[in-house]
Amino acid sequence: DIQMTQSPSSLSASVGDRVTITCQASQDISNYLNWYQQKPGKAPKLLIYDASNLETGVPSRFSGSGSGTDFTFTISSLQPEDIATYYCQQYDNLPQTFGQGTKVEIK
Amino acid sequence: QVQLVQSGSELKKPGASVKVSCKASGYTFTSYAMNWVRQAPGQGLEWMGWINTNTGNPTYAQGFTGRFVFSLDTSVSTAYLQISSLKAEDTAVYYCAREPYDSSGYYGNWGQGTLVTVSS
Repeated sequence: DIQMTQSPSSLSASVGDRVTITCQASQDISNYLNWYQQKPGKAPKLLIYDASNLETGVPSRFSGSGSGTDFTFTISSLQPEDIATYYCQQYDNLPQTFGQGTKVEIK
Repeated sequence: QVQLVQSGSELKKPGASVKVSCKASGYTFTSYAMNWVRQAPGQGLEWMGWINTNTGNPTYAQGFTGRFVFSLDTSVSTAYLQISSLKAEDTAVYYCAREPYDSSGYYGNWGQGTLVTVSS
């Protein structure tokens, strides 16, 4: 199985800060990576697909980049409504696997 | 609009069975695969497997074979997850999520989740 390692596991930042989360795959997955946001008590929401494509309706402050084994997810200016846990997901091989999540809090 | 509506929370005793439903609306049910994802309390997301809504053929992730069964009733656009011989460690929220047949992992629509609690 492909292991997805996210870092950090949690972070605290101020409103307006730039926030960066990394996700590393245990093998080359090309750009077969998605990013999800999950708020407490809610289902995950797709934000970024194919590593760098913004899902329709998602604010442009969210972005993704990377290919191969190293990927980055960025919130350019953190907003209070962005408080959530973020997950990367690889779909190159079955089983699809998720990173362990990054919890984002407001400082 | 596309909706996946899951059945309500369940409280079961160890050894019992549970069947979770996921009713789809707003699209042609057989045009998308249905995936199941588990989230244990305070934990991350774990892919359980998927079912081909055209053929009914299920694929299970390792760790979800034997006691876990995916099924369909296409006449009512509903997917089911049945878990038998429940154990305390099955306590989790279970989500259904639709995916295009291009295996893109593109879970654009999710059910609201069903909490299954296993306790004596």
